[in-house]
Amino acid sequence: DIVMTQSPDSLAVSLGERATINCKSSQSVLYSSNNKDYLGWYQQKPGQAPKLLIYWASTRESGVPDRFSGSGSGTDFTLTISSLQAEDVAVYYCQQYYSTPLTFGGGTKVEIK
Amino acid sequence: EVQLVESGGGLVQPGGSLRLSCAASGFTFSSYWMSWVRQAPGKGLEWVANIKQGGSEKYYVDSVKGRFTISRDDAKNSLYLQMNSLRAEDTAVYYCARAHSTSSSIFDYWGQGTLVTVSS
Repeated sequence: DIVMTQSPDSLAVSLGERATINCKSSQSVLYSSNNKDYLGWYQQKPGQAPKLLIYWASTRESGVPDRFSGSGSGTDFTLTISSLQAEDVAVYYCQQYYSTPLTFGGGTKVEIK
Repeated sequence: EVQLVESGGGLVQPGGSLRLSCAASGFTFSSYWMSWVRQAPGKGLEWVANIKQGGSEKYYVDSVKGRFTISRDDAKNSLYLQMNSLRAEDTAVYYCARAHSTSSSIFDYWGQGTLVTVSS
């Protein structure tokens, strides 16, 4: 199974500042035949279902604000919120979809400082 | 508008059974892979199972293999999860999720979830 490790577990960022979340996979999720990284990011607010933000490691889902961006390849990935807004307070999860079982990171809680 | 509405959760004793349902609307259900994902209280997300269009392929996380069965009825736009031999560690909110059009295994729409509690 591919283990997904997120860091930090939580972070507090001032409004308007940058938030950076890291995700590391125990093996590469880059599929060589199409050169795509099978890595996605979700946002989950309290009491709500997760919401897809990013897929293929860096492709923003339709309707997602452009302050959210994904980067990385192979085993190391980053979700960046360029200018934190109050509505971005949530837990963020990475997920690999390179192989089954599909696996998620443990989550990173983002709060306002 | 895409909607996924789960039902069937509740309190069940260890060793018992439960059948979850997910009613889909607002899209061509038969054209999409579908999954169940669960979340134990205060914990992270865990993928449980998925099923291909038409039901010809099904995959499960090891911890539920032999106990849970995923199925679908495309005529009824519905997804199901039959859960047998339930254990305390199966206690979670169970989400129905639709696969993104670009991949079978990343999820662009989720239901609101149904809570399953396994306890005596």
